[in-house]
Amino acid sequence: GIQVEQSPPDLILQEGANSTLRCNFSDSVNNLQWFHQNPWGQLINLFYIPSGTKQNGRLSATTVATERYSLLYISSSQTTDSGVYFCAVKETSGSRLTFGEGTQLTVNP
Amino acid sequence: ETGVTQTPRHLVMGMTNKKSLKCEQHLGHNAMYWYKQSAKKPLELMFVYNFKEQTENNSVPSRFSPECPNSSHLFLHLHTLQPEDSALYLCASSQDKSVGTSDTDTQYFGPGTRLTVL
Repeated sequence: GIQVEQSPPDLILQEGANSTLRCNFSDSVNNLQWFHQNPWGQLINLFYIPSGTKQNGRLSATTVATERYSLLYISSSQTTDSGVYFCAVKETSGSRLTFGEGTQLTVNP
Repeated sequence: ETGVTQTPRHLVMGMTNKKSLKCEQHLGHNAMYWYKQSAKKPLELMFVYNFKEQTENNSVPSRFSPECPNSSHLFLHLHTLQPEDSALYLCASSQDKSVGTSDTDTQYFGPGTRLTVL
């Protein structure tokens, strides 16, 4: 099956800093989603982005499908951005979402 | 009503108990999913239902029994669980891209049920 690798596994920032999270995948995909899991376990949809670039407020994401990676940018981070960020992909020949192991982000005041 | 709801939010049960988790989606989707998330691990897909029919069972032990009476409701019946089954159980729904006018198969998740097996 498809492999999904996220980096870094852990990231600690001061409030106001910017960060980039990376997701590498091993095969062609037709679905790529970024999620934020808050401390209570809720998975919040951030982006559906199998290709291209999208922006939503302080967050933006870029997927370069031909090179099999996606980036999530967080600008001017806030303490409420803390949590785990997951990338999930569905390979073109498959039917299920495969999740990466996540990046644990901690934003300190 | 929020998109995907799950009840209960927390559940503590003994190994001999029988309990059920409930999921309801209000998004008009035709696919529903159960995932398990153990501590410090990524999500693992358990079951997939499409138009009420089970299309995937990811080698889940028979002590977990899913039920999908209609496209909006999904249950997970639990019996004789083990302590290692303690985890966060998440339900999700999506619209199959090949049906209707949706151009994405974005999955939307419920808040989860945090299960502890004693």
